[in-house]
Amino acid sequence: DIQLTQSPSFLSASVGDRVTITCRASQGMSSYLAWYQQKPGKAPKLLIYAASTLQSGVPSRFSGSGSGTEFTLTISSLQPEDFATYYCQRPGTFGGGTKVEIK
Amino acid sequence: EVQLVESGGGLVQPGGSLRLSCAASGFTFSSYWMSWVRQAPGRGLEWVANMKQDGSEKHYVDSVKGRFTISRDNAEKSLYLQMNSLRAEDTAVYYCARDLGTRDGYYYGMDVWGQGTTVTVSS
Repeated sequence: DIQLTQSPSFLSASVGDRVTITCRASQGMSSYLAWYQQKPGKAPKLLIYAASTLQSGVPSRFSGSGSGTEFTLTISSLQPEDFATYYCQRPGTFGGGTKVEIK
Repeated sequence: EVQLVESGGGLVQPGGSLRLSCAASGFTFSSYWMSWVRQAPGRGLEWVANMKQDGSEKHYVDSVKGRFTISRDNAEKSLYLQMNSLRAEDTAVYYCARDLGTRDGYYYGMDVWGQGTTVTVSS
């Protein structure tokens, strides 16, 4: 089974910062990757699918890139509503999550 | 409005059983793969199971194989998760999600989620 490892697991950032989260797969997997945002007590929200395609309605400050074994989620200018936990996912497994907190 | 609503969670003793339901509305349920995802208290997301549109394919995470059964009723627009031989480590919020699946080398993600139902396994 392919494992997904996210880094960092926690990051502290300020409003306006550029933030990058990495997801590494134990084996190559083409563009079989999605990214989600989850806020406390809420269901996850799909942000990115097919590694780099922005889900409808998601702000353009979010972007995804990568293929094979290394993928990234970038938030170009962190906004107050972006403080949350982010997960990468391929069919059958999620990464461990990255919690983004206010510095 | 596209919506998924889970129900059936509760407190159950170790070794017990529970059946979760997920009612879909606002979309053609029979056209989509559907998944169950869970989240233990203070932990990350864990994919549990999924099922093809016509029920011909089902997949499970290893930790629930032989104990959980996913099923669906397309006429009733409902997804189910029968959970038997429950363990303390099955304690979690269980979400159902619409899974857009894979095609042409891409994965399209899970785009619609319910609000979750809480399962607590404890004596």
